Amino acid sequence: EDQVTQSPEALRLQEGESSSLNCSYTVSGLRGLFWYRQDPGKGPEFLFTLYSAGEEKEKERLKATLTKKESFLHITAPKPEDSATYLCAVQAKYGGSQGNLIFGKGTKLSVKP
Amino acid sequence: GAGVSQSPSNKVTEKGKDVELRCDPISGHTALYWYRQRLGQGLEFLIYFQGNSAPDKSGLPSDRFSAERTGESVSTLTIQRTQQEDSAVYLCASSLVAGTDTQYFGPGTRLTVL
Repeated sequence: EDQVTQSPEALRLQEGESSSLNCSYTVSGLRGLFWYRQDPGKGPEFLFTLYSAGEEKEKERLKATLTKKESFLHITAPKPEDSATYLCAVQAKYGGSQGNLIFGKGTKLSVKP
Repeated sequence: GAGVSQSPSNKVTEKGKDVELRCDPISGHTALYWYRQRLGQGLEFLIYFQGNSAPDKSGLPSDRFSAERTGESVSTLTIQRTQQEDSAVYLCASSLVAGTDTQYFGPGTRLTVL
């Protein structure tokens, strides 16, 4: 069964304290792994897509990496405005769920000034 | 350009009533998806449409749920005889085509069933 597990469920950081969020996945052939940011009361906002192990992508203070079993979202010197829930999702290459995304439950990040 | 829009933003209904939720995808996007987000849970796939192909309904939780899409435009998700467990945020997303193209989400409709 295709599955995504994110850890930790919640993470509290001080402003400037770097850390990483984890996304572990099992999927019948990975078509793509997606990171989204979700603010309270809003829909998910796209951040990154990763397609193959070893791939990395960066945007401002965020860097996403991918291995064959997991992805990390590294946050460098976070600011309070980075506070949000970060969602990881995969899209399968085979099986019945080829079009839709399979989401983890998310990591709620709080950055205190 | 305009993003994905959804209406209403909030819907409160009584148990047993039918509700319709609307989604306007990004213009030119041929694929449209519906997801459900219950409190404390990850997004659950419900249904997706790709152009004029038959929709993938594999995520619909019961026959009380149905969805339609007119061509490559508006979609409506209908829930009949609502139950309290249907309370959730219903999110719509669209992409250029189904597959690896990025899915862009709307703001969601928060459904509360009393």
